[in-house]
Amino acid sequence: DGGITQSPKYLFRKEGQNVTLSCEQNLNHDAMYWYRQDPGQGLRLIYYSQIVNDFQKGDIAEGYSVSREKKESFPLTVTSAQKNPTAFYLCASMGGGLLEAFFGQGTRLTVV
Amino acid sequence: GENVEQHPSTLSVQEGDSAVIKCTYSDSASNYFPWYKQELGKRPQLIIDIRSNVGEKKDQRIAVTLNKTAKHFSLHITETQPEDSAVYFCAASYSSNTGKLIFGQGTTLQVKP
Repeated sequence: DGGITQSPKYLFRKEGQNVTLSCEQNLNHDAMYWYRQDPGQGLRLIYYSQIVNDFQKGDIAEGYSVSREKKESFPLTVTSAQKNPTAFYLCASMGGGLLEAFFGQGTRLTVV
Repeated sequence: GENVEQHPSTLSVQEGDSAVIKCTYSDSASNYFPWYKQELGKRPQLIIDIRSNVGEKKDQRIAVTLNKTAKHFSLHITETQPEDSAVYFCAASYSSNTGKLIFGQGTTLQVKP
């Protein structure tokens, strides 16, 4: 079953803790993206990676970190420095000569 | 930096009417403009896209128009149906399948039966 998978679907975090969201794709796509979705604010770009071992900050990178050690994986860490981390996070990938972005099903993070 | 503005934020129409959503972009280098539909509780999915060398593109009841000079593009949905109810996002990027993809704020479309 080809696609892009995010886990977990729901995640709860205590204040002050770091948490890592998983994103895996088996589409052989070069590019991967992390977006944050808040009501009325659309999809805001956190980080993106165009190739393994390289990534760039998006518009709201503060308080987040990523790695791209493998083509298939692009995990996002929400650090304690992120002041308002409660949100819906979407991962996407793009490649194969197409310009269509394929999205995961999302992770809803709640800070408790 | 790059920016995409989308209007309106909410849109309510009667079934059978048309709906229009408009976007403007800031980066004149952008040359690829997709539209995504996100149904409640689901992931966004591409519904139509347009490249900068084309002024209009149609796919059944949906169409997209592009005005490069004014740096704006629009989504047109005709003969709306209740299943068109969703959040719609426009986006802009420089044509590359590894490029930065910037989305608008989204429009919540409600089609009343």
